[in-house]
Amino acid sequence: SQTIHQWPATLVQPVGSPLSLECTVEGTSNPNLYWYRQAAGRGLQLLFYSVGIGQISSEVPQNLSASRPQDRQFILSSKKLLLSDSGFYLCAWKDYRDYGTGELFFGEGSRLTVL
Amino acid sequence: GQNIDQPTEMTATEGAIVQINCTYQTSGFNGLFWYQQHAGEAPTFLSYNVLDGLEEKGRFSSFLSRSKGYSYLLLKELQMKDSASYLCAPSGYKLSFGAGTTVTVRA
Repeated sequence: SQTIHQWPATLVQPVGSPLSLECTVEGTSNPNLYWYRQAAGRGLQLLFYSVGIGQISSEVPQNLSASRPQDRQFILSSKKLLLSDSGFYLCAWKDYRDYGTGELFFGEGSRLTVL
Repeated sequence: GQNIDQPTEMTATEGAIVQINCTYQTSGFNGLFWYQQHAGEAPTFLSYNVLDGLEEKGRFSSFLSRSKGYSYLLLKELQMKDSASYLCAPSGYKLSFGAGTTVTVRA
């Protein structure tokens, strides 16, 4: 069966510090991968998605970046965090064969507080 | 692009019925998902509609009208554990979510 894990679960970072959130998927190959952010009391905002190694699409301009160094690994990074980067970050995957129809499976989420 | 509209909040009593409406405008439509999200947790899948009509799954049902860009999620026999946010998500090659409707179930 397929599983998805992301870490860390919780982190508190000062403004201007770097960020690295990691997500891995097991039990499937060539998944479509996604990073979402959810600000307090808000909906899910799609940040990045990837359909293959090294292929990253950015949805919104920001000081965040994403990388996919391996097929089932997706990393969200920042060189310098802003207060507005605080939120609940969710990694998700979908079967690449389920174009537009597949269920999205979410990781446990990472809660980031920037002080 | 995607434009998704659903109510912000709804309140109902235990045992009652709640209908959450969602209207959307999207390109490359390939069906519509509903997800449930409890506070502080990741969303979990509830339903998927690709054809017009009603899909029933236990206490939850979901309806879709593609020509009207409209869907609703119907929650029957509400229980306290149904208090959560419900996210409408029309699908293309990426999934965009509405802001969610927070449902509060009162005893």
